Amino acid sequence: DSGVTQTPKHLITATGQRVTLRCSPRSGDLSVYWYQQSLDQGLQFLIQYYNGEERAKGNILERFSAQQFPDLHSELNLSSLELGDSALYFCASSAGVLTEAFFGQGTRLTVV
Amino acid sequence: QQQVKQSPQSLIVQKGGISIINCAYENTAFDYFPWYQQFPGKGPALLIAIRPDVSEKKEGRFTISFNKSAKQFSLHIMDSQPGDSATYFCAASMRETSGSRLTFGEGTQLTVNP
Repeated sequence: DSGVTQTPKHLITATGQRVTLRCSPRSGDLSVYWYQQSLDQGLQFLIQYYNGEERAKGNILERFSAQQFPDLHSELNLSSLELGDSALYFCASSAGVLTEAFFGQGTRLTVV
Repeated sequence: QQQVKQSPQSLIVQKGGISIINCAYENTAFDYFPWYQQFPGKGPALLIAIRPDVSEKKEGRFTISFNKSAKQFSLHIMDSQPGDSATYFCAASMRETSGSRLTFGEGTQLTVNP
C-alpha cells in the first residue's frame, strides 16, 4: 500500500458527461501529480499541484482541470468526455523536490 | 515528443536468469532516474532509483547501471523469479522548485517462466 488513495476505482460513463476523480496523497506529501495511462500513449503526465498551487502542466486537455484543496487532497475533473478518454488515471504524491513519487491504485475510466 | 525510449517492449526469461531492460534519454537536464514496477490492476510502484552522480546502484536482486555520456541507463534483475513478472517502466525527471514530474518510457512486459 503506497498510502495514496484514489476513488472511485472504476467509473463507467457516457460520452459528453463530466466526472470527478479524487486523490488523497500520503500523509505529509505536498505535491500531487496526475497521470493518464492508455494503451497507445503509455503513462503521460497531466498536471502537478504543490501545496494548493498549480506547478506544472503536461499533456492535459482543455476539457480537463484539476485542483488541490487546503487539506491537500486533489480532484481531477474531466468534462465533455469522449471515447478516447477511456484510460487509467493515476494520482501520485511526493514530499517535495526530487523525492520519490508514490502512486495510487488508479481510477479506471470507461467512456461508452 | 518522447524523451525516454525503452526497450525491449517485451521480455521472456527463465527462472533464475537475468532480465535486462534498457532506456535512453534525450534531455541532459534530467537528473533523477527511477524504475517502476506495475502489476495488472495496480499502480506503478517505485522499485529503485539513481541519480547521475553514480554509475551503479544495487538493491537486492535489482541493479541500475547508468551511463551519463551515452545518456542510457538499464535495469538488471538477477535470479529472476516468476513473481517478477510485471510491466517495468523507466522514468526520468529534472529538479524543479517544488517537485518533479516523471517522463516515462514505453514499458517492458517481463514474463519469467518457472
